[in-house]
Amino acid sequence: GQQVMQIPQYQHVQEGEDFTTYCNSSTTLSNIQWYKQRPGGHPVFLIQLVKSGEVKKQKRLTFQFGEAKKNSSLHITATQTTDVGTYFCAGHSGAGSYQLTFGKGTKLSVIP
Amino acid sequence: EAGVTQFPSHSVIEKGQTVTLRCDPISGHDNLYWYRRVMGKEIKFLLHFVKESKQDESGMPNNRFLAERTGGTYSTLKVQPAELEDSGVYFCASSHGTAPYNEQFFGPGTRLTVL
Repeated sequence: GQQVMQIPQYQHVQEGEDFTTYCNSSTTLSNIQWYKQRPGGHPVFLIQLVKSGEVKKQKRLTFQFGEAKKNSSLHITATQTTDVGTYFCAGHSGAGSYQLTFGKGTKLSVIP
Repeated sequence: EAGVTQFPSHSVIEKGQTVTLRCDPISGHDNLYWYRRVMGKEIKFLLHFVKESKQDESGMPNNRFLAERTGGTYSTLKVQPAELEDSGVYFCASSHGTAPYNEQFFGPGTRLTVL
């Protein structure tokens, strides 16, 4: 079955440093979604990428979808303590499939 | 707009007992999903309802799990009998419309511990 690998599993950064998490799928994805889960919370949708090579920005967050639609990354510039949480990528594979396949997530800690 | 709600927030039961989890999706959302996250692992899809119909239940682990969505509103997920490996956080999510790639809104989850 489809698998989405996400690295790193944990990342500790000093406040102000940059952070990147990467996802790789075993199969071509129809789209990639990114979610953030704050400590003690639940996954909250951040963004969706659909097109090959797509890049989207949300303030300090930059999301990329690979040309082959099998990999994606999330980059945070100048991290803040409010960025703390676990970031998940998730994708749909087959056309019309509603089933989201999640990566294991990257847990980000920001040291003030 | 009220979000997705789940009940209970925590449940601790003994192996062999029965537990029923409830999810109330956002009003008007026809799509309802169940996911599970076992500690240290990824969030895994269990099943998907469109209104009251099971659209995809390929992620259900085995026949000890039964999901229902009577009337196309709230949904229940029953585990009977519960086993140790069923422990984890069960998330419910809902989305609107017919497009599969619409944003899914997650509930707070039910943390199930089977002793």
